[in-house]
Amino acid sequence: SAVISQKPSRDICQRGTSLTIQCQVDSQVTMMFWYRQQPGQSLTLIATANQGSEATYESGFVIDKFPISRPNLTFSTLTVSNMSPEDSSIYLCSVFTRGPRNEQFFGPGTRLTVL
Amino acid sequence: DAKTTQPPSMDCAEGRAANLPCNHSTISGNEYVYWYRQIHSQGPQYIIHGLKNNETNEMASLIITEDRKSSTLILPHATLRDTAVYYCIVRVYNQGGKLIFGQGTELSVKP
Repeated sequence: SAVISQKPSRDICQRGTSLTIQCQVDSQVTMMFWYRQQPGQSLTLIATANQGSEATYESGFVIDKFPISRPNLTFSTLTVSNMSPEDSSIYLCSVFTRGPRNEQFFGPGTRLTVL
Repeated sequence: DAKTTQPPSMDCAEGRAANLPCNHSTISGNEYVYWYRQIHSQGPQYIIHGLKNNETNEMASLIITEDRKSSTLILPHATLRDTAVYYCIVRVYNQGGKLIFGQGTELSVKP
């Protein structure tokens, strides 16, 4: 299993500013992901955080808006840049671990409100 | 990854079995069916997965039709704590953990 923590758990930010969200895992994992969950919606994958290389972004998400770092196998950050109210969402970190279940674990999420 | 279709909401009486259906008519031969749930304000939680045989664990049972085009998640004795959004996802077993979430089924367990 994998235990994931995220910081901050929630924040209220002003339009035009940036927020960096941290994701820490209690074990080394190969694959880390960032998801967004807009109010009342399902989860949408933003990007795969690759250790030692640039993140791989899904359609509709770009590096300038959501820069991602992955300095090692237990840590990643997601920055939400130049925020607007439309960025108000829950942002979730997720990791994939190989094993009998090939299970994916999710962090508790960071609830972001942009005013 | 194949697309899934689920009813948007369901109700279930506490103590009764909850049967949540999922259609995945375009599933490929190497794709597994995974179920996750998301309790309010928490990250999604793994429940169960299967390829073609029925599966059971401590949380639930998964029934997959013989043609694999649909499946049913069964919570045998639903409790109030099972109230959550349940997601059915299909993906290749050994593929990286990128999960594509549909809209899921919001299950309300009532006393």
